[in-house]
Amino acid sequence: GESVGLHLPTLSVQEGDNSIINCAYSNSASDYFIWYKQESGKGPQFIIDIRSNMDKRQGQRVTVLLNKTVKHLSLQIAATQPGDSAVYFCAETPNSGGYQKVTFGTGTKLQVIP
Amino acid sequence: DAGVIQSPRHEVTEMGQEVTLRCKPISGHDYLFWYRQTMMRGLELLIYFNNNVPIDDSGMPEDRFSAKMPNASFSTLKIQPSEPRDSAVYFCASSFENMGAGGYTFGSGTRLTVV
Repeated sequence: GESVGLHLPTLSVQEGDNSIINCAYSNSASDYFIWYKQESGKGPQFIIDIRSNMDKRQGQRVTVLLNKTVKHLSLQIAATQPGDSAVYFCAETPNSGGYQKVTFGTGTKLQVIP
Repeated sequence: DAGVIQSPRHEVTEMGQEVTLRCKPISGHDYLFWYRQTMMRGLELLIYFNNNVPIDDSGMPEDRFSAKMPNASFSTLKIQPSEPRDSAVYFCASSFENMGAGGYTFGSGTRLTVV
């Protein structure tokens, strides 16, 4: 079946460095992508999203890049801080409006070394 | 708003017992989702409601699982009888139509352990 997966299960970075978390997806019909952050003991929290008609979107310290040619999504975190330590999920849906079936990736754990 | 509220936070029960998980969505949200999270399978959608009506329960693993939403501010997920393989973290999420998946707000989850 179609799925969203992650290349790296665990990523360790030094505080202050930039982090890059990658995600591969297989559903070519996916039109909307979301990154979630899940801290220990909490539910996933929305970070940033991107639609398929874009290849880059920036937020505060975070940037999402989308390469539809190779079905690849990445999340870049600038100047990584200890509070960024969490599990990050990518998710994809057919489009951004209303209810659409969301497929979540398996997650990447980001560990920030002080 | 206090966000999506789930109770209990932790539940330990013996195999065969009935378990009821509770969720209060964000006021005004018209979609409510129940997810299960395990290390092996990640986040799985069990069932979702729109305006209190169950729309898709194809993710419910078997007849032992049931969910209700008697009103816009409350939903339950029941497992009867519970089995050790049901051990997982169960999340409730709510959303407002047209916000899509980017508008999901998750609760803090209920960690269920069946021994």
